[in-house]
Amino acid sequence: SAVISQKPSRDICQRGTSLTIQCQVDSQVTMMFWYRQQPGQSLTLIATANQGSEATYESGFVIDKFPISRPNLTFSTLTVSNMSPEDSSIYLCSVQQGSMNTEAFFGQGTRLTVV
Amino acid sequence: QKEVEQNSGPLSVPEGAIASLNCTYSDRVSQSFFWYRQYSGKSPELIMSIYSNGDKEDGRFTAQLNKASQYVSLLIRDSQPSDSATYLCAVELEYKLSFGAGTTVTVRA
Repeated sequence: SAVISQKPSRDICQRGTSLTIQCQVDSQVTMMFWYRQQPGQSLTLIATANQGSEATYESGFVIDKFPISRPNLTFSTLTVSNMSPEDSSIYLCSVQQGSMNTEAFFGQGTRLTVV
Repeated sequence: QKEVEQNSGPLSVPEGAIASLNCTYSDRVSQSFFWYRQYSGKSPELIMSIYSNGDKEDGRFTAQLNKASQYVSLLIRDSQPSDSATYLCAVELEYKLSFGAGTTVTVRA
């Protein structure tokens, strides 16, 4: 499986500021995915990032709040903008591989606390 | 209705016993199904994938899929304390995964 490096691993941020999370993959992948895992809850897909096109956002997530870049086939960033305490979560980068290209593998996650 | 539902747990089993985890999904078109294990403070780790009806075994893990009943299960045989974790069921639809809420399993030594 791909090796996915995500950073920072954790951060504590002031409300109203923004944080950019980076995700680097050791192989070229068409799609990269960003998830949020709120405390004690399961994973929710934020958006799908394709190289060369705008990210596709899931219901409840908007580009102004979570802008995503995908400059090449091995790298993506997710920015959490104008943060509030409700944004305190773990953010996970993922790629999909396997015979049907649907097996998801995750980076180590970014634990964000907004104060 | 939630897209993916799991038995809520927590589930406590003695060491050496079988842990049984269940998952139902709402979209009949889904074709790929997964079980992930997540240790506290860690990211999810894929332990089983299943695409066809029936059973799939990998070591102490067996996944069972019944598309007609829209049901996926995971059996963990000879449970070990290291199996204590949250298990997430995931269902794929159009290359996107939907995850269940997870079932926390504790294996008692």
